[in-house]
Order: sequence, then structure tokens, then C-alpha cells
Amino acid sequence: KQEVTQIPAALSVPEGENLVLNCSFTDSAIYNLQWFRQDPGKGLTSLLLIQSSQREQTSGRLNASLDKSSGRSTLYIAASQPGDSATYLCAALYSSASKIIFGSGTRLSIRP
Amino acid sequence: SQTIHQWPATLVQPVGSPLSLECTVEGTSNPNLYWYRQAAGRGLQLLFYSVGIGQISSEVPQNLSASRPQDRQFILSSKKLLLSDSGFYLCAWKRDAYSGNTIYFGEGSWLTVV
Repeated sequence: KQEVTQIPAALSVPEGENLVLNCSFTDSAIYNLQWFRQDPGKGLTSLLLIQSSQREQTSGRLNASLDKSSGRSTLYIAASQPGDSATYLCAALYSSASKIIFGSGTRLSIRP
Repeated sequence: SQTIHQWPATLVQPVGSPLSLECTVEGTSNPNLYWYRQAAGRGLQLLFYSVGIGQISSEVPQNLSASRPQDRQFILSSKKLLLSDSGFYLCAWKRDAYSGNTIYFGEGSWLTVV
């Protein structure tokens, strides 16, 4: 069964800290791994997409890595800010007919 | 540019009533289309996805169904709603099977079954 897991479910850190969010997936036959941000009551916004042939992607203070062999991806946020507070979800695109499976998310709170 | 429209935004329905949520995508052709449900404080559960007109893949056996009557239209339906159907429903699209393409989401529909 194809599953995506995110731990921890919630994380609270003081402003300015660097932090890492974790994502693990079963079945290494993924096409890509994406990270999304969701604000309360809203849809999802794509942050970074890593194709299966890539190791990492960077956008501003965000860096996402992918290790297919271990079934893991991490999202690194540098110099966190209160505006980073949101739920972060990862999603794996599996090779069978465009199926995209999401993790349950990590609810991040940045304390001023 | 491409846009995705999803409606209604909010819906309160009694148990046993029917449901129809509609999603349309503009500015692209033959997109992959998806319906997800998010229960309160939970992640996204994939309900249905479609890679073409009339092609529907179901991920969860339940009282919901999906249809794709036109290339850029995706409809989520139920004949009789259950309390457990309450949640935040999100429609999404992706250009095609290419792994470099991201998935884009609509603004969602809040369904409360009472």
C-alpha cells in the first residue's frame, strides 16, 4: 500500500530558528515529491517540487531534499518567521496513473 | 493562464440528502483531475482522480462517486449523505503525467452534514 507519513504532527519554535520537517513514503517508485503550505481554511500552495532524478530544490529560505532509497524527504526552513506559521504537507506522485498521495501534515507555529 | 473554479464554497446538507460539488479548469486541455477530502485537523485523503474524459479511478469505497462529463469538468456526487461525509473538499488539477508538473488546488468546499 502506498502511504505518506509526516512526523511530528505539530511543531512550535521561536522566531529565528532553523527547522526541519520530515516526510516518509512507502514504495520508492515515485515520480516526484512536493511540499505544500496550507493556511487555515484555505487551499494548498505549492512550495517546492523535487523530481525523482533530483536530490534537492531550493526557493529562498526553503530547501527540500529527497532520498528515494530511504523513502524520506525533508523540508528545511531557515531563519523562521511568524509568517511561516501554517500547516505543511508533503505529497508523492506515484508512477501508477498519476496518483498523488498526501501526508497528514505538520502544523507549524512560529512564536514571536 | 490556467485557473480552477470550485463551487459551492460552503454547503450545509441534512443526512440522507444528495450532494453535487463541481470543479472546472480553464486555460488547459486534458488535465489530470483530482478530488480530495480533508477532515478537521487531518491530512488530505485522495477520493478520485481522472486522467481523461470518462476515466475515473476510485481510491476509497464509500457512498461518493465522481464523473468527468467534459474534458475540464469534474463532479463529486452522493445520492445520500452521511454525517461522516462532513469535511473540506478540494479539487485539483495537474497538466499531465509529466513528473515536473505541479498540482494546483481550488479554494475548496466546506461541507457540513447535519
